[in-house]
Amino acid sequence: DAGVTQSPTHLIKTRGQQVTLRCSPKSGHDTVSWYQQALGQGPQFIFQYYEEEERQRGNFPDRFSGHQFPNYSSELNVNALLLGDSALYLCASSLVDRNPYEQYFGPGTRLTVT
Amino acid sequence: AQRVTQPEKLLSVFKGAPVELKCNYSYSGSPELFWYVQYSRQRLQLLLRHISRESIKGFTADLNKGETSFHLKKPFAQEEDSAMYYCALADSGGYQKVTFGTGTKLQVIP
Repeated sequence: DAGVTQSPTHLIKTRGQQVTLRCSPKSGHDTVSWYQQALGQGPQFIFQYYEEEERQRGNFPDRFSGHQFPNYSSELNVNALLLGDSALYLCASSLVDRNPYEQYFGPGTRLTVT
Repeated sequence: AQRVTQPEKLLSVFKGAPVELKCNYSYSGSPELFWYVQYSRQRLQLLLRHISRESIKGFTADLNKGETSFHLKKPFAQEEDSAMYYCALADSGGYQKVTFGTGTKLQVIP
């Protein structure tokens, strides 16, 4: 089991563009959470997906949206990119019915907005 | 609003010395508290959670509701403990919105 995988590893975009980041959860996991980690900061919760629906959301604008597919993989979309969106984006998966607080993190996608 | 505060960005200790990484929280309710660790070039991973009341790699953490603290302690630091440590808090309602602190880098000096 490769654990949580994320793609791409690195990404460079221009202000105003749109970006899609992808996450495959750990085998057997059904819940995916996304976090933004700015340099020198802890991860900040963006949202969480379970059963293909967003069920929790942090303090992020509507420019941040997501999706979960029937195979539990997930996408994070960010529209109208701002310089401040430059960060490491982390995906974490868990199994809601067993130990919902034991999240497994992916390696992250480093997004740079120029 | 829930908040987690880790006052130290960097904590340097000598090998064999005791370690205490501080964490204070703000939450109106009954929180679930955790410590996550990130070793160099590795992923963020769960170290321990308060409800388990277990010791992992010699680390323990006690929830003090009166002081709203959840400090991480180890009696004798080892070089392999050098890492970034994040304190985190989750809603106890079954959802997994987790709020992280800004992290403390622990540097164990040989």
